[in-house]
Amino acid sequence: GAGVSQSPSNKVTEKGKDVELRCDPISGHTALYWYRQSLGQGLEFLIYFQGNSAPDKSGLPSDRFSAERTGGSVSTLTIQRTQQEDSAVYLCASSSQGNNQPQHFGDGTRLSIL
Amino acid sequence: SQQGEEDPQALSIQEGENATMNCSYKTSINNLQWYRQNSGRGLVHLILIRSNEREKHSGRLRVTLDTSKKSSSLLITASRAADTASYFCAYYSGGSNYKLTFGKGTLLTVNP
Repeated sequence: GAGVSQSPSNKVTEKGKDVELRCDPISGHTALYWYRQSLGQGLEFLIYFQGNSAPDKSGLPSDRFSAERTGGSVSTLTIQRTQQEDSAVYLCASSSQGNNQPQHFGDGTRLSIL
Repeated sequence: SQQGEEDPQALSIQEGENATMNCSYKTSINNLQWYRQNSGRGLVHLILIRSNEREKHSGRLRVTLDTSKKSSSLLITASRAADTASYFCAYYSGGSNYKLTFGKGTLLTVNP
């Protein structure tokens, strides 16, 4: 079956522009997660969705970051007025309902801010 | 920081040798998971060990968990060049059942 799909795989943009990253989770997975992975760093939790609601947005670095999920499926992560420090790989994962489940990751979007 | 720590940060071995990676964490956990990440790819779940388990096997993987020492180890036996990747431990903690905390990873290189 299809895994988690993210697009675009690479994005290069100028500082100050807005970017939108897309995640298509595994069909039937109710939980969806966004992480950020910077060079030399571990994975940083950004936000978690259960269905269409986001009970935990605590990891979003600033108010320039927002995310939404519609139809309990596709999610978009939007970064407004991008800064160079936003350059990173943004990873999306999904999991089935239930406690403490393994998460299934997409291949990420590599974002470079010039 | 509640982040886990893996050691070593990097490990280089020859094909056929065993590779051992360690993970330490700072909080109480529900379970601990190990993931692999090939260069330029996402993370792949390898194995999960529950807090009431001490050892678990899956193919060439063996994971141990010592909750008294807040540590875990991942052993890959008879390594192959295809095992070259970064390996991360991750865990749910602090009552969360969705927020995985990841270590910084061990970069394993298996030389043919």
